[in-house]
Amino acid sequence: DAKTTQPTSMDCAEGRAANLPCNHSTISGNEYVYWYRQIHSQGPQYIIHGLKNNETNEMASLIITEDRKSSTLILPHATLRDTAVYYCIVWGSSNTGKLIFGQGTTLQVKP
Amino acid sequence: NAGVTQTPKFQVLKTGQSMTLQCAQDMNHNSMYWYRQDPGMGLRLIYYSASEGTTDKGEVPNGYNVSRLNKREFSLRLESAAPSQTSVYFCASSEDTGYRPQHFGDGTRLSIL
Repeated sequence: DAKTTQPTSMDCAEGRAANLPCNHSTISGNEYVYWYRQIHSQGPQYIIHGLKNNETNEMASLIITEDRKSSTLILPHATLRDTAVYYCIVWGSSNTGKLIFGQGTTLQVKP
Repeated sequence: NAGVTQTPKFQVLKTGQSMTLQCAQDMNHNSMYWYRQDPGMGLRLIYYSASEGTTDKGEVPNGYNVSRLNKREFSLRLESAAPSQTSVYFCASSEDTGYRPQHFGDGTRLSIL
């Protein structure tokens, strides 16, 4: 399984874009990058995933470098409700559905 | 639009007591999962069910049993609770065990004295 490295914590001003980086230098060609977040006392929430191309949905954008060794999750206009722990997960067919959560990045959105 | 529903939300047990945690999903998903989360740690997979009628062990299955009652419901049982099983338990579901997002419930907070 590819290992991911994320900063332990980050701050972001409300209304500004939050850019959360993730390194996954050992990712294999058929492994996807997934992002989840966990708001205090709630279950994890799926945000977005991608393989090679950049992806965008109503919550966020995912930018994956051309060599696929790193990615960035972008929350375009962070709000206080985006304060959470963000998990970057690499997931391939060998995982058989098993999400492996690391320590994640604690994002604090400040007024 | 309930998604994944877990019951109970909170429970306190004494060592040696038994307990079943219930999980139900209304998204017609084939696959379901049970995770535990301990303070300061990420989630760890206990058991999962790829489809109705099948179950498989995850990372930390010892001390637990599961039952996939039907397509909607997946229960987790502690036969003889131990303090080390004090944790927050999350149930999740997905369309299948492939490249499909998992959707989580809000958890059961279990304390064992």
